[in-house]
Amino acid sequence: GAVVSQHPSWVICKSGTSVKIECRSLDFQATTMFWYRQFPKQSLMLMATSNEGSKATYEQGVEKDKFLINHASLTLSTLTVTSAHPEDSSFYICSARDAGKYNSPLHFGNGTRLTVT
Amino acid sequence: AQSVTQLGSHVSVSEGALVLLRCNYSSSVPPYLFWYVQYPNQGLQLLLKYTSAATLVKGINGFEAEFKKSETSFHLTKPSAHMSDAAEYFCAVSVSGGYNKLIFGAGTRLAVHP
Repeated sequence: GAVVSQHPSWVICKSGTSVKIECRSLDFQATTMFWYRQFPKQSLMLMATSNEGSKATYEQGVEKDKFLINHASLTLSTLTVTSAHPEDSSFYICSARDAGKYNSPLHFGNGTRLTVT
Repeated sequence: AQSVTQLGSHVSVSEGALVLLRCNYSSSVPPYLFWYVQYPNQGLQLLLKYTSAATLVKGINGFEAEFKKSETSFHLTKPSAHMSDAAEYFCAVSVSGGYNKLIFGAGTRLAVHP
């Protein structure tokens, strides 16, 4: 089945540094990927829609200059948390659908746990 | 705007008992509805989906859900709970219909005890 791979699965970084999270569709092409954020024991909040070859669309309240999204190919989207602070610590999950299948549901990665110290 | 409400943040059942997780939706367009399961520190796995076809939808691991337009509900059920069903369950609605970005409910944590 369709697999979405996220890397790294967990990362610890110091406050003020930047962290890049990769989201790859392993066996399908994805023109659109979605980035979610999940705080402990809470639901997933959509951060942005990543569009291959164009700018990402951010949800209201999400700082686009802080959460940089790049979707340079049909199988890779990256989320860079710039100048990370402890309040950015969270679980980040990406999802993608198979652009080649009409009724493809969203497939989710296993998430990346970011801890900012 | 689309939204989902999951009633009950925690549900506890005995092994072998019926599982019922409640979800009500609000949608300005014919909805696509989904149930996902999340195990600790993992992403989401699709259990089942409703896409305007049959109102009773069967999914993986013995789960099923019934779409009731009159009640704007899409409750998830399983006749007999297993210990391995303990997880977080999320109901979701597609924002604009179809397989597009999703809006998730708050989630329901299912505990299964012997």
